[in-house]
Amino acid sequence: DVKVTQSSRYLVKRTGEKVFLECVQDMDHENMFWYRQDPGLGLRLIYFSYDVKMKEKGDIPEGYSVSREKKERFSLILESASTNQTSMYLCASSADEAFFGQGTRLTVV
Amino acid sequence: GIQVEQSPPDLILQEGANSTLRCNFSDSVNNLQWSHQNPWGQLINLFYIPSGTKQNGRLSATTVATERYSLLYISSSQTTDSGVYFCATQTSGSRLTFGEGTQLTVNP
Repeated sequence: DVKVTQSSRYLVKRTGEKVFLECVQDMDHENMFWYRQDPGLGLRLIYFSYDVKMKEKGDIPEGYSVSREKKERFSLILESASTNQTSMYLCASSADEAFFGQGTRLTVV
Repeated sequence: GIQVEQSPPDLILQEGANSTLRCNFSDSVNNLQWSHQNPWGQLINLFYIPSGTKQNGRLSATTVATERYSLLYISSSQTTDSGVYFCATQTSGSRLTFGEGTQLTVNP
């Protein structure tokens, strides 16, 4: 079975903290993605990566950065967390078919 | 970039009813999939179907790539079918694009 694993299911952080969300896949996929999901707004692409050390901005990259030092791991970084970044964050990886992590519900207080 | 539109946005059914969900896409695609998001937020893949027809139990899907649409059929719906159904496609350049989803509620 393909596995995409996100490091945390629930996370509570304080405003201004640096936050790391980790995603690991075990299928040697080239492509990895980070989305956030908010009620009524669907799944919005933050960043994606098509190879190690390669990254592309998605539709809402402001306030976020990413790191892909190894093929299996794609990290989303909130440089200085703010309350408007409270959301569900979803990671995906793909070759052809995409597979999804279980999601991380981040609350910034 | 490619546009993916799903309809209807919301659907309420009685248990046992059948339904059809639609996904239109604005350009040729290399792949297409349907996924179901459960109440806990987990996205589970239902079909990977860039073209043709597939069936899995009460669910089936058809993609007509030349006409740029895909359909997901749910027969004899059950309360456990409730949730959000997404179609998603990945074009050349690797971007994975989702539709807005169909929120399905199946009442007992």
